[in-house]
Formats: sequence, structure tokens, C-alpha cells
Amino acid sequence: RKEVEQDPGPFNVPEGATVAFNCTYSNSASQSFFWYRQDCRKEPKLLMSVYSSGNEDGRFTAQLNRASQYISLLIRDSKLSDSATYLCVVRGFGNEKLTFGTGTRLTIIP
Amino acid sequence: GAGVSQTPSNKVTEKGKYVELRCDPISGHTALYWYRQSLGQGPEFLIYFQGTGAADDSGLPNDRFFAVRPEGSVSTLKIQRTERGDSAVYLCASSLTSPGGGGSYEQYFGPGTRLTVT
Repeated sequence: RKEVEQDPGPFNVPEGATVAFNCTYSNSASQSFFWYRQDCRKEPKLLMSVYSSGNEDGRFTAQLNRASQYISLLIRDSKLSDSATYLCVVRGFGNEKLTFGTGTRLTIIP
Repeated sequence: GAGVSQTPSNKVTEKGKYVELRCDPISGHTALYWYRQSLGQGPEFLIYFQGTGAADDSGLPNDRFFAVRPEGSVSTLKIQRTERGDSAVYLCASSLTSPGGGGSYEQYFGPGTRLTVT
């Protein structure tokens, strides 16, 4: 079983719609959680960190459920520029390395 | 300011050859990481440097892979006797270092080196 699991998609969503991605992780000792965005043939870039209390950044909302070992990302009012691969990422306690999911590919359709 | 840079951007080599991939981190970043990303997969951790020393090399797949960071800045990933399965994008990242560890600083990624072994 992979340490971080995501639905690879693709998700094809009309512009303006709301889309949600989910991710599960297997290591209960994981300490830090993130969503990264990766455009085609580009490097991953941090979209947002994920906190237990949930956090929001503009149209993006991230949630963490430690009991279920589940992370989510919600994108409201989706834009064409949101088309990308979204990577779920975890980091263990006292551990510097990042563990990535396979990524979920999102395409926003005009 | 300048981000993480990697050279070459593309490298095509024949099976069995030796290759070196270079990473130049953001100035002042003491932590440096190498990851490998195969097609359709997320990046996979290879090795992490804190200063000049390899603090965690648990992700290196076998002894054909080796990395150095002799002066605590630029790092080189070296692959001996390349195999077709080594074909991937090799990503380098750097970050500041959290006092006492715990990795609370963001890792900034370079554009990667696309390695193709024919």
C-alpha cells in the first residue's frame, strides 16, 4: 500500500464549479501536511499547508482529519488557471523528507 | 531573488554510461534534497543534505546512485552504469533549516533535469 494515496483523476470540471480532492495517508506519525500544485512539465510548488483546524486561502480550503488520516482540498469558483496536477504531501515527525501522492490531474473546461 | 537552478535541463545518455546532475540551491539554504519523478507519479525522495553531510540517504535505490555537496552549497547527483529504468525527472529542492529539526520551512523546487536513458 502506498504511503499517500490519491485518486489520479483526471477530473474535468466546468469553469466556475466547485471541485474537491481527497487523500489518505498510512503513517499515523505523519506530522505536517501540504497540497502542492504542479503544472505540466514544471516543478511542484507549495499551494498551502494543511492544519487540523482547517484553513482557507481565497478560493482554496484545506482540511485534515487525523483520526481518519484523511486530507482534503476544496476549490471554489474554479478558474481555467486552476488546471494542474494537485499533489498531496506528508512529512513525518522530525523528518525532513516529503512523501508525495501520485497527484490528481484537474482540467477546468471553459 | 534567484530560485533553485539545475543543470542540464535535459540529458540523454546510453545505457551503461555515467551521468552527473547538478543543483544550485537558493543562497543561504542549508538543507538540500533530491527527488525523482517518474511519468504519472509524484516525486519520490532520494537523499537529504544538511550542510555538507547526507543526513538521510534512505531513498537512494541502489549503490549506483551517489550524491555529494562538498561545500554545503552546490550538490551533484551521480548515477553510474545507467539503466533504462533510471529515466525520470530528477528534482532538487532547498530550504532553510528548522532549529532542532522538524522541517517546518518550505522546500523550494528547481525545474528538474529530465534524464532519458536509451
